[in-house]
Amino acid sequence: DVKVTQSSRYLVKRTGEKVFLECVQDMDHENMFWYRQDPGLGLRLIYFSYDVKMKEKGDIPEGYSVSREKKERFSLILESASTNQTSMYLCASRPSGGTDTQYFGPGTRLTVL
Amino acid sequence: QQQVKQSPQSLIVQKGGIPIINCAYENTAFDYFPWYQQFPGKGPALLIAIRPDVSEKKEGRFTISFNKSAKQFSLHIMDSQPGDSATYFCAAARSSNTGKLIFGQGTTLQVKP
Repeated sequence: DVKVTQSSRYLVKRTGEKVFLECVQDMDHENMFWYRQDPGLGLRLIYFSYDVKMKEKGDIPEGYSVSREKKERFSLILESASTNQTSMYLCASRPSGGTDTQYFGPGTRLTVL
Repeated sequence: QQQVKQSPQSLIVQKGGIPIINCAYENTAFDYFPWYQQFPGKGPALLIAIRPDVSEKKEGRFTISFNKSAKQFSLHIMDSQPGDSATYFCAAARSSNTGKLIFGQGTTLQVKP
């Protein structure tokens, strides 16, 4: 079974803090994704990575950056957290080619005070 | 043109009913249309998916109907059960190595006993 794990289930941070969200997958997938989930807005893509050290902006990259130094790990960084970044953050992974299925982690609920 | 519009936002049915969730897309280059199911506290998981070369796909009690000319697709849940209570997301993608998905806004389904 594919396993995607996220470092924290719940996180509370203060405005202006630098926040790191970590995601690890154990299936040697090339592609990894970060989404945020908000009621009524669905899942919106923040960034994705199709290989180590490679990244592309998604639909809402402002205020975020990412890092992928190893194939299994994809980090989302909030450079200076703001209250409008309070959300559920979901990581997903997918192999290149073949099935288009994305495999999701359980999510991190981030609250910025 | 990249949007996927999903309706309704929420749905309540009695056990045994047939909830229907609808999605519409604009980009005719999309060629992969999955539905994801998300239970509280979990990440989304692939439920069923269709490609535009067929008009219908069934897996157990779940059926996707696809109308290419109208650029619409829908999920039907036959003989719905309380265990089907979850949030459902439609999505669309152009098949590629990265498999980037565009998600709809989500539908929260409650099936009453």
